[in-house]
Amino acid sequence: DAGVTQSPTHLIKTRGQQVTLRCSPKSGHDTVSWYQQALGQGPQFIFQYYEEEERQRGNFPDRFSGHQFPNYSSELNVNALLLGDSALYLCASSFVGPWGEKLFFGSGTQLSVL
Amino acid sequence: AQSVTQPDIHITVSEGASLELRCNYSYGATPYLFWYVQSPGQGLQLLLKYFSGDTLVQGIKGFEAEFKRSQSSFNLRKPSVHWSDAAEYFCAVGARNYGGSQGNLIFGKGTKLSVKP
Repeated sequence: DAGVTQSPTHLIKTRGQQVTLRCSPKSGHDTVSWYQQALGQGPQFIFQYYEEEERQRGNFPDRFSGHQFPNYSSELNVNALLLGDSALYLCASSFVGPWGEKLFFGSGTQLSVL
Repeated sequence: AQSVTQPDIHITVSEGASLELRCNYSYGATPYLFWYVQSPGQGLQLLLKYFSGDTLVQGIKGFEAEFKRSQSSFNLRKPSVHWSDAAEYFCAVGARNYGGSQGNLIFGKGTKLSVKP
């Protein structure tokens, strides 16, 4: 059973460009959350998708947008990239069952903006 | 404001020695508390979590944590550290909402653990 898969693993972009990061959740999971982890910092919540809709959003500008597909996979889009967007982007998937919920994190996409 | 503070940026312990990593939180409601571990180039792995009940929580890899409401703390402990425990450790706080999902987790900045042979 594959865990949470993120692609690509590394990405280099220049300021002003747009980027799309992808996440395939763990099998059976229907909820996907995205986090940004800057160097030397803890992860910061960007947003969460459930049933193809954004359910909750953190304190990130509208340049950050997302999408969830019917197969529960998800994309994170960032427009008009800034140098400060350089970070590790983590995807986490989960499913709320009678036993509770456990987040499974992917290994992340390392984005460098030059 | 909701926040998590991990006062120690970097800790070095000898293999076999005991370990305690500190975590303090500020949260308006009853918090749900978590400890995660991150190895280089890896995602986050859940060590343990506290939702309610017994304030001493057992986790994987021999870790435990104690919730102290009066001190707003959730410190992580391990009686004997192994070299493979070297990693970065993150404390997080959250609330259950939106149909039961943990939703927005607030993480501390992490504590890097080095283990001396």
